[in-house]
Amino acid sequence: GESVGLHLPTLSVQEGDNSIINCAYSNSASDYFIWYKQESGKGPQFIIDIRSNMDKRQGQRVTVLLNKTVKHLSLQIAATQPGDSAVYFCAPSGGKLIFGQGTELSVKP
Amino acid sequence: KAGVTQTPRYLIKTRGQQVTLSCSPISGHRSVSWYQQTPGQGLQFLFEYFSETQRNKGNFPGRFSGRQFSNSRSEMNVSTLELGDSALYLCASSFGTSETSPFFGPGTRLTVL
Repeated sequence: GESVGLHLPTLSVQEGDNSIINCAYSNSASDYFIWYKQESGKGPQFIIDIRSNMDKRQGQRVTVLLNKTVKHLSLQIAATQPGDSAVYFCAPSGGKLIFGQGTELSVKP
Repeated sequence: KAGVTQTPRYLIKTRGQQVTLSCSPISGHRSVSWYQQTPGQGLQFLFEYFSETQRNKGNFPGRFSGRQFSNSRSEMNVSTLELGDSALYLCASSFGTSETSPFFGPGTRLTVL
């Protein structure tokens, strides 16, 4: 079945720096991808999505890059803030979401 | 617009009992999916309901079941609870068409003693 892996289980950055969270997926037929943020004790929160006919999409302080050739996504967070501390998941969507273990982002003040 | 709501938020049961969890989707959403989250297994898909019909199913035993009502509200039931069923159960709703993003509720924290 499909699998999702994030390259780093934890990432620690300084407040104000940019963060990059990476994600690899296995199913080349995946055509829609979603990034979620989950804070402790809460449900996952939608951040941004991207369709397979795009290679880049920007939101507020976030950019997602999609490289279908190597089946890789990245989430870039600009000027990381303490409120960005959370676990981040990428999820290919095809009727059901497939989640990896997530990357825990810690922001040092 | 109100988000996805789940009740109860916390639940403690003992082994062998059964439990029913409830999910109210965002207004207008017809798809409701359920996920189990544990520290060891992460987020795992249980099932999805769309227009009162189960449309997708994950790899969970038959003790896990669900249903959806005509107003799109959904319930999931776990019978004969085991210690390993202790988890955060998350519900997500969406319009249910391709390339629409599910939005999650806060979850129900189930503890089985």
